[in-house]
Amino acid sequence: EAQVTQNPRYLITVTGKKLTVTCSQNMNHEYMSWYRQDPGLGLRQIYYSMNVEVTDKGDVPEGYKVSRKEKRNFPLILESPSPNQTSLYFCASSLGPGQGYNEQFFGPGTRLTVL
Amino acid sequence: LAKTTQPISMDSYEGQEVNITCSHNNIATNDYITWYQQFPSQGPRFIIQGYKTKVTNEVASLFIPADRKSSTLSLPRVSLSDTAVYYCLGEGYNNNDMRFGAGTRLTVKP
Repeated sequence: EAQVTQNPRYLITVTGKKLTVTCSQNMNHEYMSWYRQDPGLGLRQIYYSMNVEVTDKGDVPEGYKVSRKEKRNFPLILESPSPNQTSLYFCASSLGPGQGYNEQFFGPGTRLTVL
Repeated sequence: LAKTTQPISMDSYEGQEVNITCSHNNIATNDYITWYQQFPSQGPRFIIQGYKTKVTNEVASLFIPADRKSSTLSLPRVSLSDTAVYYCLGEGYNNNDMRFGAGTRLTVKP
């Protein structure tokens, strides 16, 4: 089954404790991205990756890191989480812009609370 | 990058046709227009995509006029389960990122 998986689905942590949210896709997609969603603000892109070892900042990259060492995985790293990073996070993958027909597949989301 | 503008919210009743319009005045020549649906606490789900004129699938229709500065998502005979947030998104050939706006919150009433 074609899917994007994220782990963990729920996480409560404390300020300053490094954490990683994993994202994996099984569709051989080149493009992957991370979004955060906050009430009234829609989806805001954090980082995206056009392919392995190619990553770039989205709209709200501050406080986040990513890596793309393999095509299928795109982890989101919070080196020192703060309460303003409490949010619902989504990972997505697609063939990529410029591919003609292009559909982003989203993971189930990770609800993060930073105390 | 095609910056998009949509109504914040819309109300409808079961059985009605709903049309949600998105403005994208600065759309680039190679941009496609894509619509997604999102239910609470779930990731967005692809609905339909088009470049120009009309596209129809089993869920919706998408109308894009000749100037491509706007597009309209049409949902025929909505039901309560169509209550969701709908996003339009410009996805461009030369764009390295794809951005969502705030979306349109559709509420279908009985």
